[in-house]
Parts: sequence; structure tokens; C-alpha cells
Amino acid sequence: DQQVKQNSPSLSVQEGRISILNCDYTNSMFDYFLWYKKYPAEGPTFLISISSIKDKNEDGRFTVFLNKSAKHLSLHIVPSQPGDSAVYFCAARDGANNLFFGTGTRLTVIP
Amino acid sequence: DSGVTQTPKHLITATGQRVTLRCSPRSGDLSVYWYQQSLDQGLQFLIQYYNGEERAKGNILERFSAQQFPDLHSELNLSSLELGDSALYFCASSARDRANYGYTFGSGTRLTVV
Repeated sequence: DQQVKQNSPSLSVQEGRISILNCDYTNSMFDYFLWYKKYPAEGPTFLISISSIKDKNEDGRFTVFLNKSAKHLSLHIVPSQPGDSAVYFCAARDGANNLFFGTGTRLTVIP
Repeated sequence: DSGVTQTPKHLITATGQRVTLRCSPRSGDLSVYWYQQSLDQGLQFLIQYYNGEERAKGNILERFSAQQFPDLHSELNLSSLELGDSALYFCASSARDRANYGYTFGSGTRLTVV
């Protein structure tokens, strides 16, 4: 059973516009959420995280929003750049320190 | 280079065989995690070791086992291989036994079972 879901396998955005990647989860006990970026032939790279006690965390062009009541989080990238083209994984941590990953969303930023 | 080293990068083997995947964590990291990524699947957590001890277990098959050695490198052993075991296997490490600091992933081992 997939506890973390990314329902959009792919997303295409024009350079300079906003990219919004979405993630839903089912376990209300998750206490930390993370986003990872993955380029081909490389391992995932940690991008940004948010604690369950917050609703927003910002780091440069990247902002993560958390809506606990909806069990939903999103990653906003603005402005999007061609170098942002990658697969983005959403992950959530449970109380036992396990990280559960979504299936990923492939972002393509069109120059 | 992330600092997490996985070998080999590619492995092709036949069904029924046994293979060992190796991971050297980033210097100073005590935790090692193993993940499996099959086609169109997310990263499935297999197992975690912290300073030589098994800390958490995920969806790891009984045919699979792992260990972490005193020098902190880890090995994932896959036996009685089946076609469905073909996947990317990632190792990750972290400095603390908490995931909020983020994991550092290696570039993975691509296993192909024929």
C-alpha cells in the first residue's frame, strides 16, 4: 500500500513560470516531509524539507507547503529553470524513522 | 560526487544466482539505508543500519539480507534471484539517526536478472 502518492507522473512548464509538484499521504503520524531531486544516472539529492508543525518552508526558489488537514504537500519552484528538469520524489518520515517515498514526478522545464 | 559510493554500478546475472552490492557511506555518517527502485515504482525502503546494528526493516524479502561492518560500509546480499528483482538499488547515508537532516544517496547499482 503506497502511503505517499504523487499522482502526476510528469509535468511540463515553460522557463520562468512556476512549477507546482503535488504529493498526498495517508499516514497522519508522519512527522517530517522531504523533497528529493533525481537526475538520470545519479542518486536522489535532498532538496528541501518541512516539519509537520509548520505549513511552509522556503529556500531560495523552492518553497514547500504542507496542508495537514488535507494530508497534502506541494513543492513550488519559481522561476523554473531548464536545470530544474529532473524527477522529483516526495518523502515522508514515520515515528520509527522510516522514510516513505512517492513514485516521483518528472519535471521538464521548456526553454 | 555525493560521498556515498556504491559498487558495482551495473550487474547482470542469471536467475537463481546470488549477488552482493556494496556501499560506503559518506565520511562520518553512521546510518546506512538501502532502497529499491523498480520500473515505474517509487523508492521502496528495504533496511536501515545504524553504527553496525539493524535499526529498521521495510519491505525486504527473506531472500535478501544486509549487514554493516565495523568500518561502516554495508553490503546487501540478494540470493535466489528472480526476474522481478531487476531494479536500481540505492544506498543512502545520514549523519544522525533522524531523517530530517536528509539522506545522501549514492548513484545506485543497476541489477539486471536474466
